[in-house]
Amino acid sequence: NAGVTQTPKFQVLKTGQSMTLQCAQDMNHNSMYWYRQDPGMGLRLIYYSASEGTTDKGEVPNGYNVSRLNKREFSLRLESAAPSQTSVYFCASSRIIPGQGTDTQYFGPGTRLTVL
Amino acid sequence: SQKIEQNSEALNIQEGKTATLTCNYTNYSPAYLQWYRQDPGRGPVFLLLIRENEKEKRKERLKVTFDTTLKQSLFHITASQPADSATYLCHTGGFKTIFGAGTRLFVKA
Repeated sequence: NAGVTQTPKFQVLKTGQSMTLQCAQDMNHNSMYWYRQDPGMGLRLIYYSASEGTTDKGEVPNGYNVSRLNKREFSLRLESAAPSQTSVYFCASSRIIPGQGTDTQYFGPGTRLTVL
Repeated sequence: SQKIEQNSEALNIQEGKTATLTCNYTNYSPAYLQWYRQDPGRGPVFLLLIRENEKEKRKERLKVTFDTTLKQSLFHITASQPADSATYLCHTGGFKTIFGAGTRLFVKA
């Protein structure tokens, strides 16, 4: 199993450009997440998808949109990139463990995005 | 608002000693807490989960405690090794997940 994969690994954009970050998981997980990680700030949740067909805002959704294309894929779109969106972006997936109500997240390798 | 706080200062210890990392939470009563390890340039990796009704959980050289009175979880690495050097993150579960900023651990040989 590949686990969680993300593309691209690196990207440089100019202010105002748009792009989509791709994420896919092959673990048959119901839930998927997008985070950004900035120095000293830890991981902050941008959007999540509890199950196929649903998406919800996290802590820092402004400037982003998401699509849960199917159970495997969850994409993050920057419509008009800004320098403040320079960050490392991580996708994760999880499943609720039956009978325990707990979940563990599995992360992709990240996308390093620079907006000039 | 709900918060998780970890010591932002790096922890430097000598090989063979026990490393202890702290996670404090406020305005929140998590049913469980999780600890992850993150190496530079990589995504976090799950290590241990502890529920609110569990005082302590162990896995090999790792031990986690959960004190709901103090609103704190402690993460211990015994007989630490240079390979344990990484950033360790505390994390709540659920959909609106919250991660601590992490504590950087350096183990010197």
